[in-house]
Amino acid sequence: GAGVSQSPSNKVTEKGKDVELRCDPISGHTALYWYRQSLGQGLEFLIYFQGNSAPDKSGLPSDRFSAERTGGSVSTLTIQRTQQEDSAVYLCASSLDPGLAGGRQYFGPGTRLLVL
Amino acid sequence: RKEVEQDPGPFNVPEGATVAFNCTYSNSASQSFFWYRQDCRKEPKLLMSVYSSGNEDGRFTAQLNRASQYISLLIRDSKLSDSATYLCVVNSGYALNFGKGTSLLVTP
Repeated sequence: GAGVSQSPSNKVTEKGKDVELRCDPISGHTALYWYRQSLGQGLEFLIYFQGNSAPDKSGLPSDRFSAERTGGSVSTLTIQRTQQEDSAVYLCASSLDPGLAGGRQYFGPGTRLLVL
Repeated sequence: RKEVEQDPGPFNVPEGATVAFNCTYSNSASQSFFWYRQDCRKEPKLLMSVYSSGNEDGRFTAQLNRASQYISLLIRDSKLSDSATYLCVVNSGYALNFGKGTSLLVTP
């Protein structure tokens, strides 16, 4: 079956430009997550969506980062005025129903972002 | 202090060896525990969940000690294909908290 898909797979941009990353979760998964993995670092939680709402945006590193989800499905992560430190792999994951204990999360292949 | 801590390794072991990874977590309210595997330049994939009673999946055995806030993964009869980074993951709500991972290289 189709897994989580992300686009683009790679993105090279110049410092100061805006970028938009897209995530298509597994059909029927109500929960969607964005993580960031910098070189040599662990995964860093950014934001969580339950349906279209984001109860927790505390992981977003700055106000240059925003995310939305429409129709309980596709999500976009937008980074405005990109900086070199934004270079990382941005991973999206989805799960059926996290509850309080969290359900199994399925990860997409990630978008590799390089800010020059 | 990071919420999930792991020995980064690398662990270099010969084929057939038994290798153990350890992990500690700081949030005593954590409710779910997992080991994920991440191959180079790939996304993390769930290897196994970890239960208090301990659980086994083929050559892999996971243990959880809630009192010590300690999680382990044992790999028996290691294969070349086991070479990867193993991520200790703890859930205290909806988001997963990942350790930085332990790198394993199994050599012929």
